[in-house]
Amino acid sequence: DAGVIQSPRHEVTEMGQEVTLRCKPISGHNSLFWYRQTMMRGLELLIYFNNNVPIDDSGMPEDRFSAKMPNASFSTLKIQPSEPRDSAVYFCASTIGTLGGTQYFGPGTRLLVL
Amino acid sequence: AQSVTQPDIHITVSEGASLELRCNYSYGATPYLFWYVQSPGQGLQLLLKYFSGDTLVQGIKGFEAEFKRSQSSFNLRKPSVHWSDAAEYFCAVGRSNFGNEKLTFGTGTRLTIIP
Repeated sequence: DAGVIQSPRHEVTEMGQEVTLRCKPISGHNSLFWYRQTMMRGLELLIYFNNNVPIDDSGMPEDRFSAKMPNASFSTLKIQPSEPRDSAVYFCASTIGTLGGTQYFGPGTRLLVL
Repeated sequence: AQSVTQPDIHITVSEGASLELRCNYSYGATPYLFWYVQSPGQGLQLLLKYFSGDTLVQGIKGFEAEFKRSQSSFNLRKPSVHWSDAAEYFCAVGRSNFGNEKLTFGTGTRLTIIP
């Protein structure tokens, strides 16, 4: 299995630009999570989906952030407009969606907003 | 609300020595507890998890952890560390949320191995 796939692995952009991060979960997994990791705040859950439906988006920092999961094999996290404080590593994780299911993490996207 | 405390930001251990990483949690019910490891530039990998039953849990790479309800702790141990164990370790507590575990992570402990 290829594991969770994220793209791009690195992104450098200028403040005000739109940023789109992509995630392909493990085939057969029906729950998907987006996390953000920074030195100041550690690892935070932003949003998660179950069967392509957003279940809990209480961690999304503000309206500039949005996430979609149009089908079981693809999700995006969009930041528009981006700001320097959005610089972080963004992880996607997937699981089979039952209690006890292990969350498998992707390699992350390292985002730098100048 | 659930929370996790990892009191040690950085630990240095000699190769071959034993290791214990501390984790304390706060949660109103029986928690689901996890330890993840993150190597530089990589995502997180699950080492072990506790849901119920035996309070001593065995994981991958020779790690184990013990759940102690009276101390609200879930410390990670390894009897003899290898240089490849150098990484960052995260403890997490999960609560059931619409059929999934919603994880709250600690701030991590960075482990350095010296020869």
